[in-house]
Amino acid sequence: GAVVSQHPSRVICKSGTSVKIECRSLDFQATTMFWYRQFPKQSLMLMATSNEGSKATYEQGVEKDKFLINHASLTLSTLTVTSAHPEDSSFYICSASPPGDAFGYTFGSGTRLTVV
Amino acid sequence: RKEVEQDPGPFNVPEGATVAFNCTYSNSASQSFFWYRQDCRKEPKLLMSVYSSGNEDGRFTAQLNRASQYISLLIRDSKLSDSATYLCVVKRRNDMRFGAGTRLTVKP
Repeated sequence: GAVVSQHPSRVICKSGTSVKIECRSLDFQATTMFWYRQFPKQSLMLMATSNEGSKATYEQGVEKDKFLINHASLTLSTLTVTSAHPEDSSFYICSASPPGDAFGYTFGSGTRLTVV
Repeated sequence: RKEVEQDPGPFNVPEGATVAFNCTYSNSASQSFFWYRQDCRKEPKLLMSVYSSGNEDGRFTAQLNRASQYISLLIRDSKLSDSATYLCVVKRRNDMRFGAGTRLTVKP
């Protein structure tokens, strides 16, 4: 089945630093990947849609300059949280689907970010 | 109004019970429907797709009513391992939207 690998699984960083999260499709090519954020006891919220070879599409209220997305290849999308602050602490998850898959998306294992 | 609405629960049921979750969606252009399961501090995993004709996978039965824009999930003979949050997911083209999830706890 389709596998999406996300790294790192957990990161603790100091306030003001930047953190990069990687999302890889291991056995398929993904022209589109999605980045979600989930705060404790809340639902997954779509942050942005990552498009290979073009700019990402951000959801309303998500700062594109703070959450930098790069989708330079068909198997890799990265999310960089720039100048992280404690309120950015959250569970970040990516997802992707193989071409032609009509049965939903596969998720990465998520990255738990803690900003201290 | 949220695009996908679910009763957040929690649902606390004894082992062996039957439990039903409901979900409504607001966008009539939605094309595909799914139930995902999310365990605490884990990523969501696909439980089953939902078809208009209704579909069953073991103890799980999913139903879709497009006219009412309503989706349901029925779990029969609940097991302790069914304890999780169940997410209703609606897909439109390349865009998936999640409900807030319904928390289920199955107790001995």
